[in-house]
Amino acid sequence: ILNVEQSPQSLHVQEGDSTNFTCSFPSSNFYALHWYRWETAKSPEALFVMTLNGDEKKKGRISATLNTKEGYSYLYIKGSQPEDSATYLCAFRGSGTYKYIFGTGTRLKVLA
Amino acid sequence: EPEVTQTPSHQVTQMGQEVILRCVPISNHLYFYWYRQILGQKVEFLVSFYNNEISEKSEIFDDQFSVERPDGSNFTLKIRSTKLEDSAMYFCASTAMRDLGEQYFGPGTRLTVT
Repeated sequence: ILNVEQSPQSLHVQEGDSTNFTCSFPSSNFYALHWYRWETAKSPEALFVMTLNGDEKKKGRISATLNTKEGYSYLYIKGSQPEDSATYLCAFRGSGTYKYIFGTGTRLKVLA
Repeated sequence: EPEVTQTPSHQVTQMGQEVILRCVPISNHLYFYWYRQILGQKVEFLVSFYNNEISEKSEIFDDQFSVERPDGSNFTLKIRSTKLEDSAMYFCASTAMRDLGEQYFGPGTRLTVT
């Protein structure tokens, strides 16, 4: 059974702190990894689609890296702001399938 | 900005009843998905759909489930005879590109089966 894990489950940081969290996924038959930002009572919002080993993508203060050989991706937030408070989800897709396997998410709370 | 919409936002139904959950994907998107999240659990893939056909379905998507794109805009998920364990949040998503496109999610329909 393929499993995708995210850690930590939740964290609180102070405004201005930088933070990062991890998504672990199967290291074989990798095809793509998606990151989403999901605010309460809203839809998950796509952040990044990661495909190549060593990929690094950036959107404003948020960036992500990908290591397909060891099966992990990091999401970094630089200078966290209260509006960054959300659940960050990753979803793994293996090769030869359209199926996405989601992690449990990391709930981030940024304290003003 | 274009968005995916879903109706209803909340549906309450009795066990054994049929429900249809509706989604309007973004207009130029061609690939569609249904996901669900049971309270406290992970988001789960149900089905992907392209060119009026199911591309892939999960083991959850049994004979009680069906999907349809009845016209050029709607994408529906039907559950024929609901069970208590079908209670969940159901999300529709669409993407313009099959393989590496960002998926745009709708706001979800909360289905409660009593």
